Amino acid sequence: GAVVSQHPSRVICKSGTSVKIECRSLDFQATTMFWYRQFPKKSLMLMATSNEGSKATYEQGVEKDKFLINHASLTLSTLTVTSAHPEDSSFYICSAYGGTASYNEQFFGPGTRLTVL
Amino acid sequence: QKEVEQNSGPLSVPEGAIASLNCTYSDRVSQSFFWYRQYSGKSPELIMSIYSNGDKEDGRFTAQLNKASQYVSLLIRDSQPSDSATYLCAVKPLYNQGGKLIFGQGTELSVKP
Repeated sequence: GAVVSQHPSRVICKSGTSVKIECRSLDFQATTMFWYRQFPKKSLMLMATSNEGSKATYEQGVEKDKFLINHASLTLSTLTVTSAHPEDSSFYICSAYGGTASYNEQFFGPGTRLTVL
Repeated sequence: QKEVEQNSGPLSVPEGAIASLNCTYSDRVSQSFFWYRQYSGKSPELIMSIYSNGDKEDGRFTAQLNKASQYVSLLIRDSQPSDSATYLCAVKPLYNQGGKLIFGQGTELSVKP
């Protein structure tokens, strides 16, 4: 399968700061990247879909000004949690989709665990 | 009705047994189906994809698809304690060409030594 990396793997920050998470597809070009969040013992929740060079599409209920997504290239997407608060503490996971016969699935990054104090 | 439904479990099977995980979906024209495994505290890992009716085997894993019944399952033969995880069923709707998946809530599997 394809390799997707995420950085950082874990971050602890103070309330009010902004946190940027990077997602990279290492061995294929991702036409689309997805951002999820997951609370303990809960299902994956899709936050937004991003395509290279265009604005992200956010799911209902997700604040686009709070969660800024940039998809600058076919191998890199970033999620910035602005003015983070304790309720933003969660496991954030990205996935990449190639859209080709060889990469017709979503491949997940290892996730970023965010703790806001 | 949820778009993709799974029994949340936990499903408990003894080591060496066959674990059977089931998933139903509501969109009749869905074309692509996936099984992901998620260990506690980790991100999902793709283990099987299936696109046609019938069975698809990969090692100890067999995915079964029945589009008429809108049903997809995953069988794990010779279950091992290391198979203990949450298994997510995902469906790609026909209307979506961008790779977006609809996930079930996951079935927790516990394999007892």
